[in-house]
Amino acid sequence: KNEVEQSPQNLTAQEGEFITINCSYSVGISALHWLQQHPGGGIVSLFMLSSGKKKHGRLIATINIQEKHSSLHITASHPRDSAVYICAVNTDKLIFGTGTRLQVFP
Amino acid sequence: NAGVMQNPRHLVRRRGQEARLRCSPMKGHSHVYWYRQLPEEGLKFMVYLQKENIIDESGMPKERFSAEFPKEGPSILRIQQVVRGDSAAYFCASSPFWTSGNTDTQYFGPGTRLTVL
Repeated sequence: KNEVEQSPQNLTAQEGEFITINCSYSVGISALHWLQQHPGGGIVSLFMLSSGKKKHGRLIATINIQEKHSSLHITASHPRDSAVYICAVNTDKLIFGTGTRLQVFP
Repeated sequence: NAGVMQNPRHLVRRRGQEARLRCSPMKGHSHVYWYRQLPEEGLKFMVYLQKENIIDESGMPKERFSAEFPKEGPSILRIQQVVRGDSAAYFCASSPFWTSGNTDTQYFGPGTRLTVL
């Protein structure tokens, strides 16, 4: 079993829909990252959080340390949000989930 | 402030050749991390370096792979005698400083896509 599990693996949505991507982990962590990888391959760090909730534009990330679970929400999704979203946890190094591939259609 | 730079962006090598991947961290960053993303797989940690020191190389294959981050110049990931299984995207990230548990945000480079023929 992977130490970091993401669901769903693939997600399609219509423009404007509310998106939720989930991440569960089984190890003790100091922080959790959400990353975005575009079709061209580049990786952008969206959030790093160790408790509570963070918001940036249409993106919201939450974490529940007791339940070892985090969610990434996208409000009013747009085709340009189409990408792979990766959850990664800090132990003494970063451990990555396998990603959620999101496609948003107009 | 330029971001993390990697070159080349694409590298093609024949089996048995050497591959050298370069990473220039963001200005002011002294910590560099290398990750590998095999086709259809997630990212995997390879090595963590500070200037002139390897801090954690627990993710590096035992043979043919080496990494350095000299006092001057970029960090280099070297793969000797490449094999087809080395074909992957190699990402570098940098951070300004490291505290216990490696909690700093890491800034990723665009990656080098290595293809071994």
